[in-house]
Amino acid sequence: DTAVSQTPKYLVTQMGNDKSIKCEQNLGHDTMYWYKQDSKKFLKIMFSYNNKELIINETVPNRFSPKSPDKAHLNLHINSLELGDSAVYFCASEGQNTEAFFGQGTRLTVV
Amino acid sequence: SQQGEEDPQALSIQEGENATMNCSYKTSINNLQWYRQNSGRGLVHLILIRSNEREKHSGRLRVTLDTSKKSSSLLITASRAADTASYFCATDGNYGQNFVFGPGTRLSVLP
Repeated sequence: DTAVSQTPKYLVTQMGNDKSIKCEQNLGHDTMYWYKQDSKKFLKIMFSYNNKELIINETVPNRFSPKSPDKAHLNLHINSLELGDSAVYFCASEGQNTEAFFGQGTRLTVV
Repeated sequence: SQQGEEDPQALSIQEGENATMNCSYKTSINNLQWYRQNSGRGLVHLILIRSNEREKHSGRLRVTLDTSKKSSSLLITASRAADTASYFCATDGNYGQNFVFGPGTRLSVLP
């Protein structure tokens, strides 16, 4: 019954690899987000999609590409992973006039 | 289960009044953060309070933390219509757990 689910929860990979993090919401929400938790533990928005359309695209390397195959999914693909990409990534979804719901986070470690 | 749980879930007040939101959590934490989310705009970090702090101020915001009760409160004084948003607390566990967000409090400030 998880509202927003991210997979995997933990991801350890080598530099240079390409990896994807998946996010799915079963709430019927129109808007989905990806956030990166920085070294100070603050969340910073990366992308926002509304009905599969990109709304917010903050300054992130173009190695990061979000993909929304349908309204319930927003996946984050990262090419040529670098050490600095190690962080926790959070997905969230939001409906009209409702608060956002967050996934449990994906801890990415690049070695 | 959710680590942070805010209450109330929804709050409506008149402009100029104070708004108080509470957050409870279950396990030991390193720090607790409050965020604001305006619909469709993503999270904005408001304030971080560490586990050894009891109170923190930032402008019209006042946050308290009671680790014995595992609870925190966010007070917004002299509210404005622009404060209308959802407010979330997020906790960072002592044992490297990811941030966990509560369901949020939806604040409506009426002119």
